[in-house]
Amino acid sequence: GEDVEQSLFLSVREGDSSVINCTYTDSSSTYLYWYKQEPGAGLQLLTYIFSNMDMKQDQRLTVLLNKKDKHLSLRIADTQTGDSAIYFCAESPPWGQGGKLIFGQGTELSVKP
Amino acid sequence: DTEVTQTPKHLVMGMTNKKSLKCEQHMGHRAMYWYKQKAKKPPELMFVYSYEKLSINESVPSRFSPECPNSSLLNLHLHALQPEDSALYLCASSQDLGVTDGPNYGYTFGSGTRLTVV
Repeated sequence: GEDVEQSLFLSVREGDSSVINCTYTDSSSTYLYWYKQEPGAGLQLLTYIFSNMDMKQDQRLTVLLNKKDKHLSLRIADTQTGDSAIYFCAESPPWGQGGKLIFGQGTELSVKP
Repeated sequence: DTEVTQTPKHLVMGMTNKKSLKCEQHMGHRAMYWYKQKAKKPPELMFVYSYEKLSINESVPSRFSPECPNSSLLNLHLHALQPEDSALYLCASSQDLGVTDGPNYGYTFGSGTRLTVV
């Protein structure tokens, strides 16, 4: 089946690290993505990880993938007020399944000064 | 050009009006998508076009009519909408359906059209 779950809210202090978690159910997914959505804006692709990788680092962002537990996390180091947004994880089914992205419910990150 | 451009940014329409949303990309992507998003909810897929042909219609009511005139343009024609259709309408594109290699990982989204039906 297709289901992606995230916790709805996370609040951190500026300068702390944020960790946003996601679980998914489709073990045949090839790519997993993190999107950021600021108020009133569209979705911005932050980073992605291929399903045969365990970790990917991109500046302040670290993505960890535990394929056995179907758990994906996004760590934001030195969180800034500009990081306040809703973060969606999404999975992409393998080729031939229509290109449909399955989104989680989104985690609203609030960064307090 | 690495953007998806959507117009208009905001639209208010009455329930008897006919209007169109437009989406344009010049990245050479061959798959284009319409999503509907309610506040603080994930986007919901409406339509997928692949090589200018409708590939997926997620059981969307006929008052929404998509059109893909060419590989760069995607329209969504609106007619006789209901107040519950008020939402952010997002267009997205990708290199191809489910492409998982090459430089264009993921889907590029536009900023959306915020639609209010009165």
